[in-house]
Amino acid sequence: SAVISQKPSRDICQRGTSLTIQCQVDSQVTMMFWYRQQPGQSLTLIATANQGSEATYESGFVIDKFPISRPNLTFSTLTVSNLSPEDSSIYLCSVFPDRNYGYTFGSGTRLTVV
Amino acid sequence: AQKVTQAQTEISVVEKEDVTLDCVYETRDTTYYLFWYKQPPSGELVFLIRRNSFDEQNEISGRYSWNFQKSTSSFNFTITASQVVDSAVYFCALTSAGTALIFGKGTTLSVSS
Repeated sequence: SAVISQKPSRDICQRGTSLTIQCQVDSQVTMMFWYRQQPGQSLTLIATANQGSEATYESGFVIDKFPISRPNLTFSTLTVSNLSPEDSSIYLCSVFPDRNYGYTFGSGTRLTVV
Repeated sequence: AQKVTQAQTEISVVEKEDVTLDCVYETRDTTYYLFWYKQPPSGELVFLIRRNSFDEQNEISGRYSWNFQKSTSSFNFTITASQVVDSAVYFCALTSAGTALIFGKGTTLSVSS
C-alpha cells in the first residue's frame, strides 16, 4: 500500500495566522482526502482533492478557510487560514491507492492555536 | 446518506477479558466496504481490517475477530483475552468504492492490568 509523509507533525500557531500542511505520497493516487479530528472526537471529512480540479468541500467547510492545493498525483497541501483556538485539532490526509488495500493515512498534524 | 453508529462511547475491561465493540452502519449502496481502525494515544490510525459487502465470512486474526452480518447491518469487532496494549480508540468506517471514509464516533477501550 501507499506510504504518506505528512508535515509538520505538530505546530503551535498564533491566532490570525495560517498553517500549511503537506502530504507527499510515494505513488500516484487519483484522490486525496483531508480530515479534521477535533479533541476527543471522530474524524470529519474536510474535502476531497483531485489532481487538476478544484477540491470538493463538505458541508461546513469552505475554500477560504481551508484552501487545498493538488498540483500533481503525489502531493497535496491543506492550509488552515485565519486561525482561531477552535481550529486546534489533528489534521490528517488520506489516500485510496488500490482497491486491494485499505485507505492509508498520514501520521497527522497536531495543531494548537494560542 | 451513509452513516456509522458506534453506540459504545467507552468500555473498560480487565486484562484477559474478552470485549466486543459494536458497529452498525447505514447505506443504500449494494457495493460498499467496511473498515476498522485503531488509534492509540500516539494518534496515528492503524488499519485493522477491510471487508466488502459481498463477503460475509467472519474473519479471525490472532486475538482479533470480526462478525459481519448484513441482515442486521452490523460489523462487530471482538478482542479475545484483552491486553493493556489494546487500549486505544477504535473506529468503524464505511465507504462506497473510491469515495471518502465515513467514520463512526469511535469507542475508547481501556484495558487495565
